[in-house]
Amino acid sequence: QVQLVQSGAEVKKPGSSVKVSCKPSGGSLTSHTISWVRQAPGQGLEWMGRIMTVLGIPNFAQNFQGRVTITADISTNTAYMELSSLTSDDTALYYCASEPTTASFDNWGQGTLVVVSS
Amino acid sequence: QSALTQPASVSGSPGQSITISCAGTRSDVGSYTLVSWYQQHPGKVPKLLIYEVTKRPSGVSSRFSGSKSGNTASLTVSGLQAEDEAVYYCCSFAGSTTVFGGGTQLTVL
Repeated sequence: QVQLVQSGAEVKKPGSSVKVSCKPSGGSLTSHTISWVRQAPGQGLEWMGRIMTVLGIPNFAQNFQGRVTITADISTNTAYMELSSLTSDDTALYYCASEPTTASFDNWGQGTLVVVSS
Repeated sequence: QSALTQPASVSGSPGQSITISCAGTRSDVGSYTLVSWYQQHPGKVPKLLIYEVTKRPSGVSSRFSGSKSGNTASLTVSGLQAEDEAVYYCCSFAGSTTVFGGGTQLTVL
């Protein structure tokens, strides 16, 4: 199974933005729909949005509309999630996951810890 | 879009069966056969157990099964084993968006 490799942990100031990457090792991004899911410390899973990489069409959870950007760069075989206007509530582990059928996530990245602190 | 409703915790003894419910609405669980279930052990990445309500990915034990009735989906774990102790999440498509349940802690007594 193709492994999804995410970028490393980030520490950000409130009000700033963070950009997390997700790259499949040994496979092509164009064969995937990629979703982003986050998990705050001790909390449950929260779906943020997805991108159909072949078409480049994203959609987002209402909670993140206007604050999240999800893109896929076919030339570098990498998907990105950028979250802006960060607050301490955005401190979480951010996962990318492949979505072979709608709303099923069969392969997860290792997670990227984002800490928002002044 | 509100989260799906799961019980906070369930428990069972080894060998028993347990069922975890996942209550949604007509906008999500009730309208689509696109419900999935995940198992997450502490410090680990979630693992897909069930997709499209009843289907099991290859490699997932047949002790895990899924079903749906109306706006509520269910995950049954039969023949409980110590290794099944984990948090379980349901997930449903909700018409261009996707929503998770709050998670259920399964304790094997």
